[in-house]
Amino acid sequence: DGGITQSPKYLFRKEGQNVTLSCEQNLNHDAMYWYRQDPGQGLRLIYYSQIVNDFQKGDIAEGYSVSREKKESFPLTVTSAQKNPTAFYLCASSTWGGTVPGDTQYFGPGTRLTVL
Amino acid sequence: GEDVEQSLFLSVREGDSSVINCTYTDSSSTYLYWYKQEPGAGLQLLTYIFSNMDMKQDQRLTVLLNKKDKHLSLRIADTQTGDSAIYFCAEISSGTYKYIFGTGTRLKVLA
Repeated sequence: DGGITQSPKYLFRKEGQNVTLSCEQNLNHDAMYWYRQDPGQGLRLIYYSQIVNDFQKGDIAEGYSVSREKKESFPLTVTSAQKNPTAFYLCASSTWGGTVPGDTQYFGPGTRLTVL
Repeated sequence: GEDVEQSLFLSVREGDSSVINCTYTDSSSTYLYWYKQEPGAGLQLLTYIFSNMDMKQDQRLTVLLNKKDKHLSLRIADTQTGDSAIYFCAEISSGTYKYIFGTGTRLKVLA
């Protein structure tokens, strides 16, 4: 089955710890994205990557870091510098990174991170 | 700036039609999208419309596009309880290639 997987579905972290969220896709998509969703709010872009070994900050990158060493994988690390990390995190991918008309994002099932 | 606006809530009775509205800002957007998010899940692509179209129909879904007013709507015919979810409209910014999502409309279907 082709798709995007995120793990784990639920994650608990103690304050002051770093934690890494996994995102894997087997759709052969060039572009991958991380969004944060808070209750009653839309999606806010954290980081995105148009191609392997390259990524750009989104609108709320502070306190987060990413890597894109493989086309299939785009892990997100939530660092202790992120002041309010409790949220629902969504990973997405698209074929052409929005650069071609008709490009479409496909989403993973999300990871809910709770900081205790 | 880039801002896609939606009303936050909509409540309808089962069997009625639902109309979810969206106002976007980038007049050069070539494609506009509707996504559905069920509780605790990711976003699922419902449909999209090319900017040179006024209307697109896909089974119970009808998308209307008014480019002059930058207004997009999603009509769901014969709304069912399984349609209860959050619906997001989205556009791609022609300058940055970033996807811009609306705040989402929470649709509640009453039995």
